[in-house]
Amino acid sequence: DAGITQSPRHKVTETGTPVTLRCHQTENHRYMYWYRQDPGHGLRLIHYSYGVKDTDKGEVSDGYSVSRSKTEDFLLTLESATSSQTSVYFCAISHSSYEQYFGPGTRLTVT
Amino acid sequence: DAKTTQPNSMESNEEEPVHLPCNHSTISGTDYIHWYRQLPSQGPEYVIHGLTSNVNNRMASLAIAEDRKSSTLILHRATLRDAAVYYCILRENRDDKIIFGKGTRLHILP
Repeated sequence: DAGITQSPRHKVTETGTPVTLRCHQTENHRYMYWYRQDPGHGLRLIHYSYGVKDTDKGEVSDGYSVSRSKTEDFLLTLESATSSQTSVYFCAISHSSYEQYFGPGTRLTVT
Repeated sequence: DAKTTQPNSMESNEEEPVHLPCNHSTISGTDYIHWYRQLPSQGPEYVIHGLTSNVNNRMASLAIAEDRKSSTLILHRATLRDAAVYYCILRENRDDKIIFGKGTRLHILP
């Protein structure tokens, strides 16, 4: 299995609070991705990174920001969480953009 | 982005081959065909990808039509552990990202 971890694995937070999710890899892969998965919508790309400090928006980037200051870490921040951001968040990594390896997911609940 | 069309769900018997279809009539010459699957309560898992020729790996085979407007993922001998949602995705050669659709939910009957 690819060395990819996500933290926290579960989080409950209140509306309006900031939240940061962390994705950490030990594979030295160039590409990193954040997805969210909701019933009826499948997996949707939020943001992705193709190198340190190089990021781009995905399909559903509004309300989210990302940062990648080191190859191994990709942070997803919800500046002011809303109930519509309740979801399961998956991080993925890729060496060549051909195969993506996914983390175990973070279940976020915004009350 | 070129789109794919997959059946919402399929059933198959355990220990029999499974053919999962995918239509992609608007595929361009530089689009790769990727397949991922997602087991219950897990993140997606890469299965296979191809461009023009049929591909085989330890998990599955990918059969690509000659005109590339459709493809089929073949599981040679389904087990209960193959019950998952299977996603057929097109990725442009120069694109760093992939866009997931709804996929096909595969049920395996014992």
